[in-house]
Amino acid sequence: GQNIDQPTEMTATEGAIVQINCTYQTSGFNGLFWYQQHAGEAPTFLSYNVLDGLEEKGRFSSFLSRSKGYSYLLLKELQMKDSASYLCAVRDNYGQNFVFGPGTRLSVLP
Amino acid sequence: DTAVSQTPKYLVTQMGNDKSIKCEQNLGHDTMYWYKQDSKKFLKIMFSYNNKELIINETVPNRFSPKSPDKAHLNLHINSLELGDSAVYFCASSNTYTDTQYFGPGTRLTVL
Repeated sequence: GQNIDQPTEMTATEGAIVQINCTYQTSGFNGLFWYQQHAGEAPTFLSYNVLDGLEEKGRFSSFLSRSKGYSYLLLKELQMKDSASYLCAVRDNYGQNFVFGPGTRLSVLP
Repeated sequence: DTAVSQTPKYLVTQMGNDKSIKCEQNLGHDTMYWYKQDSKKFLKIMFSYNNKELIINETVPNRFSPKSPDKAHLNLHINSLELGDSAVYFCASSNTYTDTQYFGPGTRLTVL
């Protein structure tokens, strides 16, 4: 089967750092994606990991450990506009199937 | 400049009707997708299509059918709409199966 877990909700303060975890159990693995989705809007791409390690993109970083079936998204210097849902998604070996996690709703407080 | 567009943005209809949602991408991508996002915000893939191959998620009822007149378009046709079909439907596209997906703005379908 395929299963992706993320915390349902998180709260953090403006200017702080927050780490959103994602664990997965899927039939095959060909990459892990993080998307951001503001309420009422479409998901937008944040990061992609296919090899173990850390990928950094400005205030956002994403880490992957394939052996542990684990990833995290790290958001630094939080801003109010970072309040959104963050979706972890895994692509299977054939590249044709994407499984999304339930998403983590992040609230950034002043 | 819109990369992936969908019409309509909102669709309200009665149970039993047949409706279509249109999707167009101007990114030159060769793979398009349809997703359903329910009230619990779960995003589930319904179809992926790359001009040669249609991959159907086995959980999708056969009342749903994608239609692709050309590489830039992948429309979603739904027959005999049911209450449970109420959701937001997102179209997406990517350059082959290996690249990042870009999502359209979504179509909120409400079945009464």
